[in-house]
Amino acid sequence: QVQMQESGPGLVKPSGTLSLTCTVSGVSISSSSNWWTWVRQPPGKGLEWIGEIYQGTDTTYSPSLQSRVIISMDKSKNHFSLRLTSVTAADTAVYYCARWGDYETLDSWGQGTLVTVSS
Amino acid sequence: SSELTQDPDVSVALGQTVRITCQGDSLRSYYAGWYQQKPGQAPILVIFNKDMRPSGIPDRFSGSTSGNTASLTITGAQAEDEADYYCNSRDSSGKYLLFGGGTKLTVL
Repeated sequence: QVQMQESGPGLVKPSGTLSLTCTVSGVSISSSSNWWTWVRQPPGKGLEWIGEIYQGTDTTYSPSLQSRVIISMDKSKNHFSLRLTSVTAADTAVYYCARWGDYETLDSWGQGTLVTVSS
Repeated sequence: SSELTQDPDVSVALGQTVRITCQGDSLRSYYAGWYQQKPGQAPILVIFNKDMRPSGIPDRFSGSTSGNTASLTITGAQAEDEADYYCNSRDSSGKYLLFGGGTKLTVL
């Protein structure tokens, strides 16, 4: 059974960089045939796809965030990470990591972590 | 297409049947996944591969697709089904992921 857990600072200053890690257990993320994904949800709003990574080599990003986001993978630690630069208050959200599974859906999710952008 | 459209609010009487829809051109090529989200919780998958349910999801949840519209049907809605429901799929190019704006389901 796949389990996923986000971690990282809950508070980031405006213009700074948001950095989160998703630790995965139950499967090797570097060898699985799945895309590993970041999704966010601003308070009171809907879900927004940020981007994804495949086997540590291929990445795809939302066009609206592409200039500010990098997703990477650490195979030795079985985790993948999100970096979002030049953050503003609009980046305040609950950030989720999730797996794009074999049936073309997000079949496993982390519990989410709230990141607030404020000075 | 780069959009999936959902009605923002839907209500249903306890024990009755409700259908939540999701429209988008990408649904002609890709099945929608449906997710249930309760306040303060992460989304959970309730329907995949058009009409399949993950283990543990009650069989009152079902899915279907016709043309550019995917539907999530709850037959005999229960109080615990009150939640936000989101659809998602790949976009028409297959490269990006899309989410619908979400539907808030109220069980009366």
